[in-house]
Amino acid sequence: GAVVSQHPSWVICKSGTSVKIECRSLDFQATTMFWYRQFPKQSLMLMATSNEGSKATYEQGVEKDKFLINHASLTLSTLTVTSAHPEDSSFYICSARPGRGNTEAFFGQGTRLTVV
Amino acid sequence: AQSVTQPDIHITVSEGASLELRCNYSYGATPYLFWYVQSPGQGLQLLLKYFSGDTLVQGIKGFEAEFKRSQSSFNLRKPSVHWSDAAEYFCAVGLNSGYSTLTFGKGTMLLVSP
Repeated sequence: GAVVSQHPSWVICKSGTSVKIECRSLDFQATTMFWYRQFPKQSLMLMATSNEGSKATYEQGVEKDKFLINHASLTLSTLTVTSAHPEDSSFYICSARPGRGNTEAFFGQGTRLTVV
Repeated sequence: AQSVTQPDIHITVSEGASLELRCNYSYGATPYLFWYVQSPGQGLQLLLKYFSGDTLVQGIKGFEAEFKRSQSSFNLRKPSVHWSDAAEYFCAVGLNSGYSTLTFGKGTMLLVSP
């Protein structure tokens, strides 16, 4: 199957700083990318959907100014957590879908963010 | 709103024994149903999906799942578990166009004992 890579796999940052997480599709062009967040013992929750070259669509309750998503190319999307707080500590997972319509989305391995 | 329930947080199965992981969903329309597996440090991998047609679907790695509309269930089964099957399993329901806007269950951690 297609490969989606996230970087970094884990990161620790200080409260008040910003951290950027990258999501790359390695062997296909991803028209659409999705960002999920998973708290311990909870479901994966969709945060936002981004289409290449356009603004991301955020789910209700997700602060767009806090979680900045950039999908500037067909192989790269970034999620920047701005002014991170300890409650932002979570597992962030991206997925990428080639083309539009009903095609399978492939998942990255996730990024564990810890804010201290 | 749609929801997915995986009632078992952990399940331990002996190697070679059969496996059934439960999944119940709540969704008003015809659901698109998925099972994903996540090994430590890995992304989610699609095991199988149900969109329409035959309610018994076959997936990769010897897994199958059966869609039962009357019970709002989509349980995952495997006749003989291997130690390499130890992982976390997620059931998900997709809206509208299938793979978009997936709602996931909380996951079931499968442990395989020798």
